[in-house]
Amino acid sequence: GESVGLHLPTLSVQEGDNSIINCAYSNSASDYFIWYKQESGKGPQFIIDIRSNMDKRQGQRVTVLLNKTVKHLSLQIAATQPGDSAVYFCAENTHAGGTSYGKLTFGQGTILTVHP
Amino acid sequence: EAGVAQSPRYKIIEKRQSVAFWCNPISGHATLYWYQQILGQGPKLLIQFQNNGVVDDSQLPKDRFSAERLKGVDSTLKIQPAKLEDSAVYLCASSPGTSGRRYYNEQFFGPGTRLTVL
Repeated sequence: GESVGLHLPTLSVQEGDNSIINCAYSNSASDYFIWYKQESGKGPQFIIDIRSNMDKRQGQRVTVLLNKTVKHLSLQIAATQPGDSAVYFCAENTHAGGTSYGKLTFGQGTILTVHP
Repeated sequence: EAGVAQSPRYKIIEKRQSVAFWCNPISGHATLYWYQQILGQGPKLLIQFQNNGVVDDSQLPKDRFSAERLKGVDSTLKIQPAKLEDSAVYLCASSPGTSGRRYYNEQFFGPGTRLTVL
């Protein structure tokens, strides 16, 4: 079936560097994309989202870029901090059967480790 | 605002035993989701409720898994009998979700229940 995947399973950066986490998706019908952060022993936490009619969205220290031509999504974290260390998941939302109820499909995840 | 509550946090059982998980969503959230997260993978949707009705249970192994959301608030997920491959974290999430909106509503996740089947 269609799925969301990640290019890199692990990413190690130094504190203060910028981090880029990538994600490839294959479902052209996906209309909404979300990045989640998951710390050990916790549930996923919403970071930032982007609709399919946009190509860039910025939040506090985070930016999501969407390239629909190549079906690629990225999360950029500026001035990465040790507290950013976690697993990051991208997820795509689809509406099966033309319903209004969205369904999220998650990718495998990237482990981000930030060294002080 | 209180978050999504789940219990128990950890459960260890023998294969072929039964187990049940409980979820209390954020107050007022109409949509409730159960996900299975196997180690090293992203969460996989098992079932989605809108109030007390099932919206999507296409990935729920119905021969052994069941879920209910009586009164449209709390929900329970049951596995009977459990298999070794059911070892995973079971996440509950909720969102405000209304049927008239053709876009995604942000999902808020609970801490999960870590199930180990021996």
